[in-house]
Amino acid sequence: DGGITQSPKYLFRKEGQNVTLSCEQNLNHDAMYWYRQDPGQGLRLIYYSQIVNDFQKGDIAEGYSVSREKKESFPLTVTSAQKNPTAFYLCASSSGTEITDTQYFGPGTRLTVL
Amino acid sequence: AQSVAQPEDQVNVAEGNPLTVKCTYSVSGNPYLFWYVQYPNRGLQFLLKYITGDNLVKGSYGFEAEFNKSQTSFHLKKPSALVSDSALYFCAVRDFGTGRRALTFGSGTRLQVQP
Repeated sequence: DGGITQSPKYLFRKEGQNVTLSCEQNLNHDAMYWYRQDPGQGLRLIYYSQIVNDFQKGDIAEGYSVSREKKESFPLTVTSAQKNPTAFYLCASSSGTEITDTQYFGPGTRLTVL
Repeated sequence: AQSVAQPEDQVNVAEGNPLTVKCTYSVSGNPYLFWYVQYPNRGLQFLLKYITGDNLVKGSYGFEAEFNKSQTSFHLKKPSALVSDSALYFCAVRDFGTGRRALTFGSGTRLQVQP
């Protein structure tokens, strides 16, 4: 997990609330990613960013938003439009310089909707 | 579209025995293949990757994986399992043909190593 931090570790949200998950990396990586993990489904891509001030939707972007104002930070907002947000959220980063580069993951945030 | 299949939800093996965790993939171009391990309530840890060259790739903690292009497989192996290897294992692929950098993951295989 080293080099990538996610906070908080656990997060509880009430219905109708927006919440923001933090992801910070000190690896000097250009590319950053957000994945959602549900039991038995593996990881699914929410958003990714190849460079500062640019990001693209992944496979399940509906109900989520991101920003990339700084190279080291890629926060994810889970909006009230996300119908089933309870899940484990993982942030990752990679150098972004080669198609063969390795993604490294943070420790994750577990979000629970009350 | 790229996809990954891990046909076994769980693999059970006795400590000291060899282990295999299976993975097959589907891509339009050349595949880049990865294995990650996840311990409870933790992020994913990188084990190894196949880019090109030798079909047998060696990685962390004594794990290795064999790339088989004709069978579109990338099975994870270890000659002698440890109880501490018990965890959730994910295979992932990146399709060079699409240029998409994000990984596509399999559903995961839980490895249980019995003492």
